[in-house]
Amino acid sequence: DIQMTQSPSTLSASVGDRVTITCRVSQSISSWLAWYQQKPGKAPKLLIYKVSILQSGVPSRFSGSGSGTEFTLTISSLQPDDFATYYCQQLNSDSWTFGQGTKVEIK
Amino acid sequence: QVQLVQSGAEVQKPGASVKVSCKASGYTFTAYYIHWVRQAPGQGLEWMGRINPNTGGTDFAQKFQGRVTMARDTSVSAVNMELSRLRSDDTAVYYCARQGVDCSGVTCYPDYWGQGTLVTVSS
Repeated sequence: DIQMTQSPSTLSASVGDRVTITCRVSQSISSWLAWYQQKPGKAPKLLIYKVSILQSGVPSRFSGSGSGTEFTLTISSLQPDDFATYYCQQLNSDSWTFGQGTKVEIK
Repeated sequence: QVQLVQSGAEVQKPGASVKVSCKASGYTFTAYYIHWVRQAPGQGLEWMGRINPNTGGTDFAQKFQGRVTMARDTSVSAVNMELSRLRSDDTAVYYCARQGVDCSGVTCYPDYWGQGTLVTVSS
């Protein structure tokens, strides 16, 4: 099974900060990586797919990068609506795996 | 517009089974896998398996093999997921999500999710 290691698990930041979340994968997954935002009581929301493509309607302050086994989600200037939990996901195989999640909290 | 609408919350006793439904609308039902993902209270996302609504073929996470079944009803564009021999650690919100079968671009990714169904297992 493909393992995902996401870090940090919690991140305290202020509005306007640049925030980076990392996802490491146990084997190469080509470009089959997505990022989600989840708020309490809600379903995950697709932010980025195929490593770096912004889903329609997602603000341009979100960006994704990486290749092979290491991937990054960056929020260039944190906004109040961005305080949430973020997950990476691999879809390289017929089964999915998610990272453990990163909770972005207000500092 | 694309919608995945799930059935309501359930409370079941340990050892029982639960069936959660996911009704699709706004797209060609047979062109997208339906996946099931669960989230225990305060925990992360866990993939359970998927069904191809066109063929009925299924794939399950090893953890759930033998305990989960998925079936589709193409007449009403719905998928049912049944989990048996419930334990207290099956208490979770269960989500369905779609993914294109012969996909390109964003359709290869779960762009639409159901609203979630809370299943509580308690004696």
